Amino acid sequence: DTEVTQTPKHLVMGMTNKKSLKCEQHMGHRAMYWYKQKAKKPPELMFVYSYEKLSINESVPSRFSPECPNSSLLNLHLHALQPEDSALYLCASSQGGTGVNEKLFFGSGTQLSVL
Amino acid sequence: GESVGLHLPTLSVQEGDNSIINCAYSNSASDYFIWYKQESGKGPQFIIDIRSNMDKRQGQRVTVLLNKTVKHLSLQIAATQPGDSAVYFCAENSGAGGTSYGKLTFGQGTILTVHP
Repeated sequence: DTEVTQTPKHLVMGMTNKKSLKCEQHMGHRAMYWYKQKAKKPPELMFVYSYEKLSINESVPSRFSPECPNSSLLNLHLHALQPEDSALYLCASSQGGTGVNEKLFFGSGTQLSVL
Repeated sequence: GESVGLHLPTLSVQEGDNSIINCAYSNSASDYFIWYKQESGKGPQFIIDIRSNMDKRQGQRVTVLLNKTVKHLSLQIAATQPGDSAVYFCAENSGAGGTSYGKLTFGQGTILTVHP
């Protein structure tokens, strides 16, 4: 099983809503990532969890709140988003070793639209 | 800051031709590179990787070449097929040793279109 599963695939939300994006992997990976991708642009790193601890926050606004309940699950809680936050949100995982040759596996993403 | 970039934003080829996608990087300390393929509505899919102690690595119909002297990376696709049409990203792992995770920085991407 080399899959990273993300739900939902599509999400439309208002600026006052609270929603969550979910990500799951069963490859035994110990590093998990959130990336944001705008149309026709490359993915940009948001957060990295390593062994269930937040290791990197790339100065992401607090309206995005990550959570790693266990080594297989990664959530991204959304609150009071802005229309410019509309994007494809990608989850990825990697084995979690020395950090030098980490091969990231990506899910299919959640396409988020903020109205 | 350091960046990974691509020379050509679009590439159109005929089915059966060989394709070459290029990438320039500027972080001389980079020691691991990955090529990803992203189809419409999907996440990036791993194609092939290469470590900095290698010049060339081959996979099934794909070859990655690394020239550290000029900080250049290329992806060669042999006998390109319509199913190869996608956006191709090079990515540099700028995560330092001693951490237990990677930190990928992506190039801008090249759109490959294969005509039957």
